[in-house]
Amino acid sequence: SQTIHQWPATLVQPVGSPLSLECTVEGTSNPNLYWYRQAAGRGLQLLFYSVGIGQISSEVPQNLSASRPQDRQFILSSKKLLLSDSGFYLCAWSALLGGDEAFFGQGTRLTVV
Amino acid sequence: DAKTTQPNSMESNEEEPVHLPCNHSTISGTDYIHWYRQLPSQGPEYVIHGLTSNVNNRMASLAIAEDRKSSTLILHRATLRDAAVYYCIPSNNFNKFYFGSGTKLNVKP
Repeated sequence: SQTIHQWPATLVQPVGSPLSLECTVEGTSNPNLYWYRQAAGRGLQLLFYSVGIGQISSEVPQNLSASRPQDRQFILSSKKLLLSDSGFYLCAWSALLGGDEAFFGQGTRLTVV
Repeated sequence: DAKTTQPNSMESNEEEPVHLPCNHSTISGTDYIHWYRQLPSQGPEYVIHGLTSNVNNRMASLAIAEDRKSSTLILHRATLRDAAVYYCIPSNNFNKFYFGSGTKLNVKP
């Protein structure tokens, strides 16, 4: 069966520090991978979308970047965190074909102080 | 991308059926209709999806209007664990999922 791992669960980082969140998927090949962010009391915002290694689509301009060094690994990064980067970050995967459902990780709650 | 309209909130009594509506009048012919729910402090959970025909699974039923401009998620017997925010999301061939504000379902004991 397929599983998705996302870590860490919580993170407190100072303003201006770098960020690296990692997500890995097991039990499937060639998945679509996604990074979402949910600010406090708000809806989920799609940040990045990837259909393959090195293929990243950015959905909104921001202080973050994403990379996909391996088929089932998706990394969210920032060189310098801003207070506005605080939020609940979620990684997800779906099968490559259209119409299949997405499966979400447990999320990372990031607080920038 | 198709826009959706859902009630901000709904309330149900425990063990009664719940019908959660969604309007997606701009949906394209190849968009699937997905439903997810999110419990507090958790990632979204897949509930059900369909294209044209009504769908049933162990969690819920999905009734899709004949013109596909609206759909209804049906929870046959609401439990306290069903209290969550429910999102209706049309997805295209690229399988991008854009979440709206959803419907917050409150279940009363």
